[in-house]
Amino acid sequence: AQKVTQAQTEISVVEKEDVTLDCVYETRDTTYYLFWYKQPPSGELVFLIRRNSFDEQNEISGRYSWNFQKSTSSFNFTITASQVVDSAVYFCALREPSGNTPLVFGKGTRLSVIA
Amino acid sequence: DVKVTQSSRYLVKRTGEKVFLECVQDMDHENMFWYRQDPGLGLRLIYFSYDVKMKEKGDIPEGYSVSREKKERFSLILESASTNQTSMYLCASSGDKNTEAFFGQGTRLTVV
Repeated sequence: AQKVTQAQTEISVVEKEDVTLDCVYETRDTTYYLFWYKQPPSGELVFLIRRNSFDEQNEISGRYSWNFQKSTSSFNFTITASQVVDSAVYFCALREPSGNTPLVFGKGTRLSVIA
Repeated sequence: DVKVTQSSRYLVKRTGEKVFLECVQDMDHENMFWYRQDPGLGLRLIYFSYDVKMKEKGDIPEGYSVSREKKERFSLILESASTNQTSMYLCASSGDKNTEAFFGQGTRLTVV
């Protein structure tokens, strides 16, 4: 069975601080896909990144970076020099490629960036 | 631009009413999903569909049904709305099974 755990329910940081959102997953498949989504106050989930299980390279996109470690089944997300606009709920998700499987989401981490 | 559109942003319905939530995507995606989002529980899958007229139960299908008569449209039906179905409902679609899902803006349903 698939499971995604985001242990941090809420995080609050002061603007310009770095913050890391944790994501731990469970799956029996050797091939799978991991995702991060952002949900701003407007409500729509915005796709941020997809990573497949064969690619353990870290990824950086502007102030965002992702650290994928298969050895610890983790896919953590770091925001550098946080800004107020980063305030949102962030979801980590897992998808197995076998069959027609939907995304399985963690419960989300609410990030508040204070000016 | 990728587009998933949900018919209503906010809805208020009475207990016992039959409620239809509509979702349309313009990306020719095979897969469509309905999730429910509640505080502290994250996103929970209600139903999904991988083809026209096909449907699969998710984690919490009780009290809901779905309809997919055309590829671009996926409807969620509350047969007899109850107050415990007050929630945010999110529709999503995706292409092949390895890709990300794209979400609509959500429908906040209140059952009174």
